[in-house]
Amino acid sequence: DTAVSQTPKYLVTQMGNDKSIKCEQNLGHDTMYWYKQDSKKFLKIMFSYNNKELIINETVPNRFSPKSPDKAHLNLHINSLELGDSAVYFCASSPQSGGPSFHEQFFGPGTRLTVL
Amino acid sequence: GENVEQHPSTLSVQEGDSAVIKCTYSDSASNYFPWYKQELGKRPQLIIDIRSNVGEKKDQRIAVTLNKTAKHFSLHITETQPEDSAVYFCAASKYNFNKFYFGSGTKLNVKP
Repeated sequence: DTAVSQTPKYLVTQMGNDKSIKCEQNLGHDTMYWYKQDSKKFLKIMFSYNNKELIINETVPNRFSPKSPDKAHLNLHINSLELGDSAVYFCASSPQSGGPSFHEQFFGPGTRLTVL
Repeated sequence: GENVEQHPSTLSVQEGDSAVIKCTYSDSASNYFPWYKQELGKRPQLIIDIRSNVGEKKDQRIAVTLNKTAKHFSLHITETQPEDSAVYFCAASKYNFNKFYFGSGTKLNVKP
């Protein structure tokens, strides 16, 4: 009954490799996000999708490519991994983008990516 | 864009004391201000939020205050307990724009 799930939980890889992180939410939410949390715990938005469409792209290198096959899934593919990509990546979802009310962001458990 | 600043970065209090964490924001159009708690190794979770039409909101031992004129908002935790130890994040967002700008986090340590 996990609300927002991510796989894998840990990812250790070499520089230059390509890797993917998967995210799924079973809350029926319309909007999904990817956040990066660096070693200093700073939480920064990377992407936001609403009903499979990209609505926010926060000047993230184009080595990062999100893909949303349906509104319950938002995967993150990273090409040519660099040392600076090491961080914890959180997926999140919320009921809707904009609208007359504000909604809680439900975070996934995080994926700790280590690039060697 | 919005800029959210959060202070202090670390806060150590004795069990039973109060803790206050402060945030400022730059965009006067922001009108929703949530607070998230992240325990060690876990995901951030919403603990309380406030909208710009309200000056204060309380939920048991936690409260949030908002000063729109000064563009700052604060989290107050009373009668702190060791399980309150965590990193707390403030955030700002605005109507019809579902993007959250997070503060840099405050690591709260409650000493038993």
